[in-house]
Amino acid sequence: GAGVSQTPSNKVTEKGKYVELRCDPISGHTALYWYRQSLGQGPEFLIYFQGTGAADDSGLPNDRFFAVRPEGSVSTLKIQRTERGDSAVYLCASSLGTSGSNEQFFGPGTRLTVL
Amino acid sequence: AQSVTQLDSHVSVSEGTPVLLRCNYSSSYSPSLFWYVQHPNKGLQLLLKYTSAATLVKGINGFEAEFKKSETSFHLTKPSAHMSDAAEYFCVVREREYGNKLVFGAGTILRVKS
Repeated sequence: GAGVSQTPSNKVTEKGKYVELRCDPISGHTALYWYRQSLGQGPEFLIYFQGTGAADDSGLPNDRFFAVRPEGSVSTLKIQRTERGDSAVYLCASSLGTSGSNEQFFGPGTRLTVL
Repeated sequence: AQSVTQLDSHVSVSEGTPVLLRCNYSSSYSPSLFWYVQHPNKGLQLLLKYTSAATLVKGINGFEAEFKKSETSFHLTKPSAHMSDAAEYFCVVREREYGNKLVFGAGTILRVKS
């Protein structure tokens, strides 16, 4: 079956611009997660959704970052006034639920470059 | 608070020799522990997980890991490396008391020489 998909695969933008990154989770998965992977580091948690609501947004670095999941499926990560330090690979993952036995399945990521 | 330390940023082995990737964790509660693998230009893939059942966990592709609470370690091993094992490996911890977010180590790049 189809896995988690993310679009675009690559995004180049200029400092100060607004970007949107999209994630399509595996069908039927109620939990959706966003992580950010900077060069040479492991992924860092940003936010996760259970259904339509953000259950934990403690990883969002500042108020320039925002994410939505209006219908409980597709999610969009929005970054305002991008900065060069936002350059990273943004990963999305989904799971059937949030219990301990539920594996998070990762998408291939969106590589964001801010010039 | 929870954290993960991967003790080696790079490991190089010859094909057919054993693999050892080291991981120590810090956790206030009972953790779930995972190893993920990331091949170039591919998504993260779960290798194996420990969730408070057997302390020796077997995963895919011949990998296994042993949870040692007294040493707060969760090292990944494989008896015989294959060229296709060359990738980056991440040790990951999750505490139910802190929600479902995963906390990743910095990663270990495994190189396999022919």
